[in-house]
Amino acid sequence: NAGVTQTPKFQVLKTGQSMTLQCAQDMNHEYMSWYRQDPGMGLRLIHYSVGAGITDQGEVPNGYNVSRSTTEDFPLRLLSAAPSQTSVYFCASSPGQGANYGYTFGSGTRLTVV
Amino acid sequence: KNEVEQSPQNLTAQEGEFITINCSYSVGISALHWLQQHPGGGIVSLFMLSSGKKKHGRLIATINIQEKHSSLHITASHPRDSAVYICAVLWSDMRFGAGTRLTVKP
Repeated sequence: NAGVTQTPKFQVLKTGQSMTLQCAQDMNHEYMSWYRQDPGMGLRLIHYSVGAGITDQGEVPNGYNVSRSTTEDFPLRLLSAAPSQTSVYFCASSPGQGANYGYTFGSGTRLTVV
Repeated sequence: KNEVEQSPQNLTAQEGEFITINCSYSVGISALHWLQQHPGGGIVSLFMLSSGKKKHGRLIATINIQEKHSSLHITASHPRDSAVYICAVLWSDMRFGAGTRLTVKP
């Protein structure tokens, strides 16, 4: 089982460029989510999805778009990269969103915007 | 103010010591997770709690819902336990503490 696969692992962007961070899971999990991790601030939820065709905003959604056309994939799009989006991004999946479900995390994408 | 507060921020211990990491939260929750982030950056889910206590090997997690507090204990600590330990609470969505960086010296 591959679990949650994130690509790329590292990326450098220039201010104003756009890109898509990929996230795929092979566990048939309904719930998927994207987080950013910044020093001293902990992980913060960007967007999440409770199933194919359904997405919602988290704590820090501005500057990011998501879509969920299939159960397996949940890409995160940066529309116009800004230096403030320099961070480490994690994707996670879970069988559901609730008290009885554990989360599986991807290995992360380190993004630098110059 | 972060809804999830962890203490201490940094912790250095000698191999074999008993470790306690604390997590306090300010809102009613449906579940609390303890996560481990390895030096290489990967994140692993250790425990998920909604009440009481759970044990897995040398790790023990407890939660007191009334006091809005959880603790993660590591017995007989080992250098391979060196990592960042993160508390996360679930109510409408997931909120994370800033993490506790644990270093266990041989």
